[in-house]
Formats: sequence, structure tokens, C-alpha cells
Amino acid sequence: QKEVEQDPGPLSVPEGAIVSLNCTYSNSAFQYFMWYRQYSRKGPELLMYTYSSGNKEDGRFTAQVDKSSKYISLFIRDSQPSDSATYLCAMSVPNTGNQFYFGTGTSLTVIP
Amino acid sequence: DAGITQSPRHKVTETGTPVTLRCHQTENHRYMYWYRQDPGHGLRLIHYSYGVKDTDKGEVSDGYSVSRSKTEDFLLTLESATSSQTSVYFCAISEVAGESTDTQYFGPGTRLTVL
Repeated sequence: QKEVEQDPGPLSVPEGAIVSLNCTYSNSAFQYFMWYRQYSRKGPELLMYTYSSGNKEDGRFTAQVDKSSKYISLFIRDSQPSDSATYLCAMSVPNTGNQFYFGTGTSLTVIP
Repeated sequence: DAGITQSPRHKVTETGTPVTLRCHQTENHRYMYWYRQDPGHGLRLIHYSYGVKDTDKGEVSDGYSVSRSKTEDFLLTLESATSSQTSVYFCAISEVAGESTDTQYFGPGTRLTVL
């Protein structure tokens, strides 16, 4: 079993839809949770970063962490064609900066 | 790309030849990482560095070596390239590895094909 599981999709939605992306994990020691966005043939770029449980909002993006269920989500409101990309979740344990565990990524297409 | 460059951006080589990929940062970050990204596997850590001349192995280090002689440069060497090392290679940097900011920033990637 992988430490981090992520549905690869692909996910296709109409413009303006609310998108929900999810990851599950097995290691209860994870404390840092990140979402990266990766456009085709580009490097991943950090989108959201949260520590421990709770919600974090940044514009149209909301990240949620439910540590009791070992489940994290990224919501995109009013999705735009420019949101079309692969979204990667990542997690790490404190004091082990080298140990980043990535999901395999979910491919999202927003149709105009 | 947070002041990170990778060179070359594309390379085609033959099985058995040595290959060196370079990562250069202008952020003066202490930690640097090399990943490979393959379909169905996501990003997998090859090696990382926590300071000049300080490196350690990651999940998929076999067949790879690294060196860091300066803060800004982290080199990845494929000692004798094999077709299984055909991949996209990403360098990443981190400000702090610890209890505070534990995030990584990625370079643009190097697309390597081994024939």
C-alpha cells in the first residue's frame, strides 16, 4: 500500500463548476499537507500549504485536512480553463524535510 | 520557478553512457532534492542534500549519484544510463526542513531519454 493515494482521474468539468480533489494517506505522523499544481511539461508549483488539521482558503481555492479520517481535499470554486492541470498532493512529517510523500496526481480539464 | 534552473532541459543519450544533470538555485536554500517523475508513480525522491558536501539517499537511488560542492549547485549523475532511467527529472529546494516551513519549490525539469 502506498503512503499516499490519489485518484489519477482524469477529471473533466465545465467552466464555473466546483471541483473537489482528494487524497488519502496511511501515516498518522504526517503534519504538513500541500497541494501542487503542475501544468503540462512544467515543474510543480506550490498552491496551498497547511499544517495539521483544518481549513485554509486562498481566493478560489480551499484546502481541508481531516486527520481523523486521514483525508485531505482541495476545492476549486468557479473553475476556469486556466485551472486545467495535474494536481499533486504532498505530505511530510516534521523534522524530516527530506521525506516528502507525493500522490500520483489528478489530471483536471476545465471545459469552456 | 523560485530561482531554480536545470540544465540541460532535454537530453537524449545511449545506454551505458554517463549523464550529469545540473540544478542551480539563486535562493541560498539549504536543502536540495532530486526527483524523477514517471506515469503511475508520481514524484519519487532519488537523493537529497542538506548542505554542502552533505547528501543522502532517497527512495530510488540505485544507479544515481549526487554531488554538492557549492550551496547553489546540486549535480545528479547517472553512472551508466539505462532505458529504465528514461524519465523527467526535477530538482527542488527547501528553505527549512523542520518544524517551521516545510515546503519544497521545484525547477522546470529535465526530460531525459535513454535509447
